[in-house]
Amino acid sequence: NAGVTQTPKFQVLKTGQSMTLQCAQDMNHNSMYWYRQDPGMGLRLIYYSASEGTTDKGEVPNGYNVSRLNKREFSLRLESAAPSQTSVYFCASSHTSGTRTGANVLTFGAGSRLTVL
Amino acid sequence: GEDVEQSLFLSVREGDSSVINCTYTDSSSTYLYWYKQEPGAGLQLLTYIFSNMDMKQDQRLTVLLNKKDKHLSLRIADTQTGDSAIYFCAERPPGTYKYIFGTGTRLKVLA
Repeated sequence: NAGVTQTPKFQVLKTGQSMTLQCAQDMNHNSMYWYRQDPGMGLRLIYYSASEGTTDKGEVPNGYNVSRLNKREFSLRLESAAPSQTSVYFCASSHTSGTRTGANVLTFGAGSRLTVL
Repeated sequence: GEDVEQSLFLSVREGDSSVINCTYTDSSSTYLYWYKQEPGAGLQLLTYIFSNMDMKQDQRLTVLLNKKDKHLSLRIADTQTGDSAIYFCAERPPGTYKYIFGTGTRLKVLA
């Protein structure tokens, strides 16, 4: 099973350029997430999609947009990249969200390392 | 507000036990998770516990929860060099989508 697949794995951008990070999951999960990982700061939630057709802002949404294209795919777009967006980006998915029962564990992709010069 | 705290580094000798600690602040019942991140890879779930439990054991892993102090620990018995990684503690209150991650503890196992 592929699980959660992210592309690209590495990308270098110049300030002001745009790009889209792609994410797809094959586990029939309802919820999908985008996180960024920075040294000493753990993982911070950028955007979240509880189900197909819905998206919500997380902790650090500024400078990003997302699209939940269908149940499988959730993309993250940087319209005008800035050096502060240099980070490792992780996509994750879970079966359901907001439930009162069930552990609802996250399954992560391998990450996309983005450098903005 | 919710917060999850971990120490940044831990170094142990091969064959010893490792204990990675985490404190959380959410006052409601919550799920608590341990994830492992190897170099260049994503996070993989190791184990989880609900806050009405005191302990959970799975092979070399033991999770202990002190609800009064909101303290969670992960013990790895007979630590191996393959256990070298970053370990993240996370919590998720039921009824929310919000997973709150700690900063991660980098475990280094010395041969």
